[in-house]
Amino acid sequence: DVKVTQSSRYLVKRTGEKVFLECVQDMDHENMFWYRQDPGLGLRLIYFSYDVKMKEKGDIPEGYSVSREKKERFSLILESASTNQTSMYLCASSFGRPSRTGNQPQHFGDGTRLSIL
Amino acid sequence: GDSVTQMEGPVTLSEEAFLTINCTYTATGYPSLFWYVQYPGEGLQLLLKATKADDKGSNKGFEATYRKETTSFHLEKGSVQVSDSAVYFCALLRSGGYNKLIFGAGTRLAVHP
Repeated sequence: DVKVTQSSRYLVKRTGEKVFLECVQDMDHENMFWYRQDPGLGLRLIYFSYDVKMKEKGDIPEGYSVSREKKERFSLILESASTNQTSMYLCASSFGRPSRTGNQPQHFGDGTRLSIL
Repeated sequence: GDSVTQMEGPVTLSEEAFLTINCTYTATGYPSLFWYVQYPGEGLQLLLKATKADDKGSNKGFEATYRKETTSFHLEKGSVQVSDSAVYFCALLRSGGYNKLIFGAGTRLAVHP
């Protein structure tokens, strides 16, 4: 089975801190994604990466950056944490190419619930 | 742009009741469609998928049929259990591109004994 591991389930940080959220996948997936999940808003894409050292902005990239130095690891960085970044953060990964049955689904980690005080 | 609309929750049912969660989409081309489930305190798990018109995805007693004529992908289950209580997300993935999913807002299901 695919395993996507996020480094922390719960995290509490202070306003202005630099925060790192780590994600590792073990299936040699090309694509990796960071989402945030907020009540009533569903999941919103922050950033994604389709290859090592490659990154693309998602729908809400402001206040965030990412790093992908190795294929299996994708880090989300809050440069200067603010209270409006309190949220559940979900990492996902998928193969880059469609299978013979169609597009490949994304596989998710268990999430990191981040609180900024 | 592409979008997914789900019925608002929460949906509250008694055990063994029939479940329908509506999902409609707007997309160009021929997207793949997915249902994900999120149990309390966990990440999202893929529940089922359909990749072309008239395909039926099924898993754990849940079913959904890709209806291109009505741009819908409604989730159904004939007899729900308490353990099905979760949040359900409908999502589409446009053909080509980088496998970017577009999610609906999610529908919370609560099943009571």
